Amino acid sequence: SQKIEQNSEALNIQEGKTATLTCNYTNYSPAYLQWYRQDPGRGPVFLLLIRENEKEKRKERLKVTFDTTLKQSLFHITASQPADSATYLCALHTGGFKTIFGAGTRLFVKA
Amino acid sequence: GAGVSQSPSNKVTEKGKDVELRCDPISGHTALYWYRQSLGQGLEFLIYFQGNSAPDKSGLPSDRFSAERTGGSVSTLTIQRTQQEDSAVYLCASSPGQTGTSTAYEQYFGPGTRLTVT
Repeated sequence: SQKIEQNSEALNIQEGKTATLTCNYTNYSPAYLQWYRQDPGRGPVFLLLIRENEKEKRKERLKVTFDTTLKQSLFHITASQPADSATYLCALHTGGFKTIFGAGTRLFVKA
Repeated sequence: GAGVSQSPSNKVTEKGKDVELRCDPISGHTALYWYRQSLGQGLEFLIYFQGNSAPDKSGLPSDRFSAERTGGSVSTLTIQRTQQEDSAVYLCASSPGQTGTSTAYEQYFGPGTRLTVT
């Protein structure tokens, strides 16, 4: 069956460290993979999109990798700050504009 | 510019009643999506519209759910004969939708409608 898996346990890190979140998928061949941030009580906010033929994408302190052989994406936040505390969702394009989201990983950055 | 708006922000209804949820996408965005998010869960895809193409309804959980998009802009999600398990936050998103560019798929979300079925 098709699955998207993100760390279900919350990730706790110290301010200034690099946070690394994982998204694994099975039985999909997505052309695009996206990462979103969601704060409590709000809709998700788009962060980054990476194509299947791209290995890495960066935006300011954010970096995404996409390994279609391992069927895995890693999302990194460098020099993390307490304001980065949120839930981070990965999303796959499964055909046309249909998008399937993972359950998300909660990140806590301690000052 | 204005973002995606949804109304109402909260809706409490009795089991068995019908409800309509509205979404106003970003002007010029041709793709519009509906998702459902239960407490502490991820987003569940319901339906998307893209331009004049037939909508992808593959995520609608039952025939009590339907959606329309009039004039390529505003969308309404209708739930008939609501059940308690329909209680969730319903999120709408839009994206530019021009095929051939990756920005076509970048989704901008509204604040959601919290539906409570009693």
